[in-house]
Amino acid sequence: QKEVEQDPGPLSVPEGAIVSLNCTYSNSAFQYFMWYRQYSRKGPELLMYTYSSGNKEDGRFTAQVDKSSKYISLFIRDSQPSDSATYLCAMSPYTGTASKLTFGTGTRLQVTL
Amino acid sequence: GAVVSQHPSWVICKSGTSVKIECRSLDFQATTMFWYRQFPKKSLMLMATSNEGSKATYEQGVEKDKFLINHASLTLSTLTVTSAHPEDSSFYICSARAGGRGYEQYFGPGTRLTVT
Repeated sequence: QKEVEQDPGPLSVPEGAIVSLNCTYSNSAFQYFMWYRQYSRKGPELLMYTYSSGNKEDGRFTAQVDKSSKYISLFIRDSQPSDSATYLCAMSPYTGTASKLTFGTGTRLQVTL
Repeated sequence: GAVVSQHPSWVICKSGTSVKIECRSLDFQATTMFWYRQFPKKSLMLMATSNEGSKATYEQGVEKDKFLINHASLTLSTLTVTSAHPEDSSFYICSARAGGRGYEQYFGPGTRLTVT
């Protein structure tokens, strides 16, 4: 079993839809959770990060963490064609400059006109 | 802020030659840099972690003599793929982290290596 599971998609939605992206994980030590967006042939860009359980909102993006279920989500409201990309979840058990991230495989999102 | 650059963005080399990829943090000092490899439609695979001025720590299964990592300054790390073979063709991405910025990793744009 992989430490982090993520549906690879592709997920196709019409412009303006609410998008829900999810990851599950098995390591209960994970406490820091991140979402990255990666456009084709580019490096990942940090979108959201959260610590422990709860919600965090930033513009059209909302990140949710449910540690009891080992489940994290990223919601995108009013999706735009420019949101079309691969979304990677990542997590780490602790902070500190040398702490390593464990990534999901990424979900490819396509927002159509 | 928090910009990481990589050079070159794309390189083609012949089998048996060596290739050096540079990773620079442009507007912050990176105490730690990470090197990843990414295959098409796959996630990032961590190859090694490097701290400025010390030897890199390689992940299990990564040949340290083949993938030489140097982190000579707080803004520069290099990855040298020695005696490259076609199976080394991949997308290589670095990331950098500064102690004052907590646990966030900032990624470079990646380098596509093709070995013919």
